[in-house]
Amino acid sequence: SQQGEEDPQALSIQEGENATMNCSYKTSINNLQWYRQNSGRGLVHLILIRSNEREKHSGRLRVTLDTSKKSSSLLITASRAADTASYFCATAYYGNNRLAFGKGNQVVVIP
Amino acid sequence: DGGITQSPKYLFRKEGQNVTLSCEQNLNHDAMYWYRQDPGQGLRLIYYSQIVNDFQKGDIAEGYSVSREKKESFPLTVTSAQKNPTAFYLCASSMAGQETQYFGPGTRLLVL
Repeated sequence: SQQGEEDPQALSIQEGENATMNCSYKTSINNLQWYRQNSGRGLVHLILIRSNEREKHSGRLRVTLDTSKKSSSLLITASRAADTASYFCATAYYGNNRLAFGKGNQVVVIP
Repeated sequence: DGGITQSPKYLFRKEGQNVTLSCEQNLNHDAMYWYRQDPGQGLRLIYYSQIVNDFQKGDIAEGYSVSREKKESFPLTVTSAQKNPTAFYLCASSMAGQETQYFGPGTRLLVL
């Protein structure tokens, strides 16, 4: 099944810096979502971008989608220690509610 | 207080034993999902159900079984046929026709 792939796998930044992570996928999608997972916890939905959208914002989050390159990026601006987590992209096919998750980016924000 | 609950938080399985993981939601969601997460890996879909009394295999269903007798509940049984069950198991749900999934806190299964 299709699977998102994030790059880079691990990122360590200072508080206040921006964090950017990328995700690529292989076939046409209906939408792409980003989720956050704190260590040992469940996933929390952050943002969804549809295939006909190019950019979306939510608070300090900015997501872009380039369907020609089959890639997406998640930018977290002015990072905080509380942003330390793993971030997963997930792609949704047309016609069903299944999601295909990438392997995740681990982000550590140093206070 | 709406949400998804999973129990237990930790579960220990002896060899040859079947164990059942509980997942309950009071969000009135139609669809429910079970995922397996291994260290440093993404989530892999085990089973999913879009309506009561119906469910479909995901990508790694072998060694697992589910039931969906009630809308609120979607228990997962890890059978003795699953030879490598040690993992973190996550349950999720979503509204019909909505792509966003809501996750429970997870159950960590360990083999004794």
